[in-house]
Amino acid sequence: EIVMTQSPATLSVSPGERATLSCRASQSVSSNLAWYQQKPGQAPRLLIYGASTRATGIPARFSGSGSGTEFTLTISSLQSEDFAVYYCQQYNSWPYTFGQGTELEIK
Amino acid sequence: QVQLVESGGGVVQPGRSLRLSCAASGFTFSNYDMHWVRQAPGKGLEWVALILFDGRSEYYADSVKGRFTISRDNSKNTLYLQMNSLRADDTAVYYCARVLGGGVWAFDIWGQGTMVTVSS
Repeated sequence: EIVMTQSPATLSVSPGERATLSCRASQSVSSNLAWYQQKPGQAPRLLIYGASTRATGIPARFSGSGSGTEFTLTISSLQSEDFAVYYCQQYNSWPYTFGQGTELEIK
Repeated sequence: QVQLVESGGGVVQPGRSLRLSCAASGFTFSNYDMHWVRQAPGKGLEWVALILFDGRSEYYADSVKGRFTISRDNSKNTLYLQMNSLRADDTAVYYCARVLGGGVWAFDIWGQGTMVTVSS
């Protein structure tokens, strides 16, 4: 099983600033990586797939990069609605696995 | 609009069974692989099971293998999760999710979730 490790567990950033979230895979997942955003009481929402492709309707301030074992989600200028928990997920091999999440909180 | 709606959650005693349903609308359900994902209270996401678009193959997480069965009825646009021998650590919100498709197996559409509580 591929273990996905996200860092940091909690990230405190001020609105308007840039946020950088990291995700590491225990073995290569190529570019088969997705990022999801989850707000309290809501289902996850797909942000990025293929490591760097924004899903439909996702604002351009969200960007993903990386391949192999190291991945990054960048939010260029944080808006109030961006404060949430973010999960990475590999879909390269079974079982599909998620990271433990990064909570993005208002500084 | 494209939508998934889960139902069937509730409170159940350890060792008992429960069946969850996920009703799909707004897209051609029979064209898509479907998953169940769960989230224990205050915890992260855990993939549970997958069924291919035609129902011919299923895959399970080790934690539920032999106890849970995923199925689908494409004529009713409905996905199911039969959960037997339930344990306290099965307590979670259960989401159904659709695969994006086109060779991308990320989950692009999620239901709102249904809560399952296993407790005596």
